[in-house]
Amino acid sequence: AQKVTQAQTEISVVEKEDVTLDCVYETRDTTYYLFWYKQPPSGELVFLIRRNSFDEQNEISGRYSWNFQKSTSSFNFTITASQVVDSAVYFCALTGGGADGLTFGKGTHLIIQP
Amino acid sequence: NAGVTQTPKFRVLKTGQSMTLLCAQDMNHEYMYWYRQDPGMGLRLIHYSVGEGTTAKGEVPDGYNVSRLKKQNFLLGLESAAPSQTSVYFCASSYPELATDTQYFGPGTRLTVL
Repeated sequence: AQKVTQAQTEISVVEKEDVTLDCVYETRDTTYYLFWYKQPPSGELVFLIRRNSFDEQNEISGRYSWNFQKSTSSFNFTITASQVVDSAVYFCALTGGGADGLTFGKGTHLIIQP
Repeated sequence: NAGVTQTPKFRVLKTGQSMTLLCAQDMNHEYMYWYRQDPGMGLRLIHYSVGEGTTAKGEVPDGYNVSRLKKQNFLLGLESAAPSQTSVYFCASSYPELATDTQYFGPGTRLTVL
């Protein structure tokens, strides 16, 4: 069975601080895919990134960066110079591929205070 | 291109009533999914479909039925609603490429069962 753990239920930081959201996963699949989604207060789910298990390159997109480490089964997400608009619930998710559904973590509620 | 749409956006039911949630996608995606989101639980997979005329059970299928008569539509039915089915329901779709593709989500349906 697959499992995704987001141990941080809620994080509150002041605007412009850097913040890292942790994600630890468990799977028996040798090939798998990891995702991060953002859920702003309006409620929709916004896709942020997909990472394949065979590609451990870290990725940076503007103020967002992701650190994938197979050795520790972690896929952490860092926001640099946070902004109020980053306030949302962030979900880490995992799938074995094909038609498999996503296994979600319980989410981290990120609050950016002005 | 509307992406994934869901109807209705909100609904209040009484215990024992029935209803159908409609999901439609215009991206020609093969795979479609229904999830439910409960506070503190993340999203959990209810049912999914790998193509027109096919459906399969996910993690929490009890109390729900689904149908995929047309490729672009995926219906979720509640035959006899229960308060435990109060939740936000999300539909998603994806297209199988070389690797698993990203699931794109609809805006959600907030259902309350009294």
